[in-house]
Amino acid sequence: AQSVTQPDIHITVSEGASLELRCNYSYGATPYLFWYVQSPGQGLQLLLKYFSGDTLVQGIKGFEAEFKRSQSSFNLRKPSVHWSDAAEYFCAVDNFGNEKLTFGTGTRLTIIP
Amino acid sequence: DTGVSQDPRHKITKRGQNVTFRCDPISEHNRLYWYRQTLGQGPEFLTYFQNEAQLEKSRLLSDRFSAERPKGSFSTLEIQRTEQGDSAMYLCASSSRRHYRNYGYTFGSGTRLTVV
Repeated sequence: AQSVTQPDIHITVSEGASLELRCNYSYGATPYLFWYVQSPGQGLQLLLKYFSGDTLVQGIKGFEAEFKRSQSSFNLRKPSVHWSDAAEYFCAVDNFGNEKLTFGTGTRLTIIP
Repeated sequence: DTGVSQDPRHKITKRGQNVTFRCDPISEHNRLYWYRQTLGQGPEFLTYFQNEAQLEKSRLLSDRFSAERPKGSFSTLEIQRTEQGDSAMYLCASSSRRHYRNYGYTFGSGTRLTVV
């Protein structure tokens, strides 16, 4: 079965520290890959996406992600987190280019002063 | 671009009652999607429309669920004879082919359904 794995349910990071959120997918071909962020009680906002080309993609709010085909991974990074980054982060995959997304279970990010 | 609007934001209903949610997509988007998100989970695909045509339905969408998009504009999602397991956030998203390539979907803020 197709799946997206976010192994970290909850991560706590100090403000100003670096961040890496993991995402692995179980598809054979190169899918379209997304990271979304969700604040409590809100919809999802796109942080960044990968369709093709350069495997290191830049997104909004200082986030970046790197697609690694050999590891079937698309990890999200930020060099220095801000308190406003506290939210739930979802990795998503469009495997067939049919614009239907499969989401991971999410990683909740807590920022401590 | 006024964004994707969903109404209501919150709905509390008694088990067995019918509920209907509305989604107004971005006007120039011809594709509209419904997802369901339960507590602690990521969104799960329910169904999607291209213009007024419903092109795909997930197995999650039981016979009690029906979605429409008359005239290819707004969409409604109706749940009949609600059950406690229907309690979730129902998310609507819209896109066009061009928008998707550049920005992915645009999601609405969702409708939170609580069945008591």
